[in-house]
Amino acid sequence: DGGITQSPKYLFRKEGQNVTLSCEQNLNHDAMYWYRQDPGQGLRLIYYSQIVNDFQKGDIAEGYSVSREKKESFPLTVTSAQKNPTAFYLCASSIQGGTYNEQFFGPGTRLTVL
Amino acid sequence: QKEVEQDPGPLSVPEGAIVSLNCTYSNSAFQYFMWYRQYSRKGPELLMYTYSSGNKEDGRFTAQVDKSSKYISLFIRDSQPSDSATYLCAPRGYSGGGADGLTFGKGTHLIIQP
Repeated sequence: DGGITQSPKYLFRKEGQNVTLSCEQNLNHDAMYWYRQDPGQGLRLIYYSQIVNDFQKGDIAEGYSVSREKKESFPLTVTSAQKNPTAFYLCASSIQGGTYNEQFFGPGTRLTVL
Repeated sequence: QKEVEQDPGPLSVPEGAIVSLNCTYSNSAFQYFMWYRQYSRKGPELLMYTYSSGNKEDGRFTAQVDKSSKYISLFIRDSQPSDSATYLCAPRGYSGGGADGLTFGKGTHLIIQP
């Protein structure tokens, strides 16, 4: 089955720790994205990548870092500099050049800072 | 003024009712309009998309765009309990064929009462 997988489903972090969220896709999509969702806030764009070894900051990139070494993978690191990291994190992918930029989403990772 | 405004609800209606979900936006460059549906604790999925002003129907769902008033609507006829979800609007402009992040509304939480 083609799709996007995210792991882990739930993640607990102590304050001051960095954690990395995994995102893998087998849809052969060039573009990948990370969003954060907070209650009552909708989805906000953290980072996106249109091609391997290249990525751009989104609206709320501070305290986060990403890498794109492989087409299939786009891991997100939540660093200790992120002041309020507790949220639901969603990874998505899309083709390049599509009119509507339909994005396919993974099931999400719920991060809780203890 | 935020780029995309959407009433978070919750909106609770009885089964079989016609539901109207709405968004307003401020960026006149938006040309493509998408609605995503998100079930609780899941990733969003694309429900419908339209281009420019006008209506588009797909089964029980109708998407309507009025660019002159920057107003987007999604109508659900004969609503079912399975329609209970959060509905997010996502308008976008032309990106020259590239893939960039979407701007989402906060989402409206819809509850269909059996």
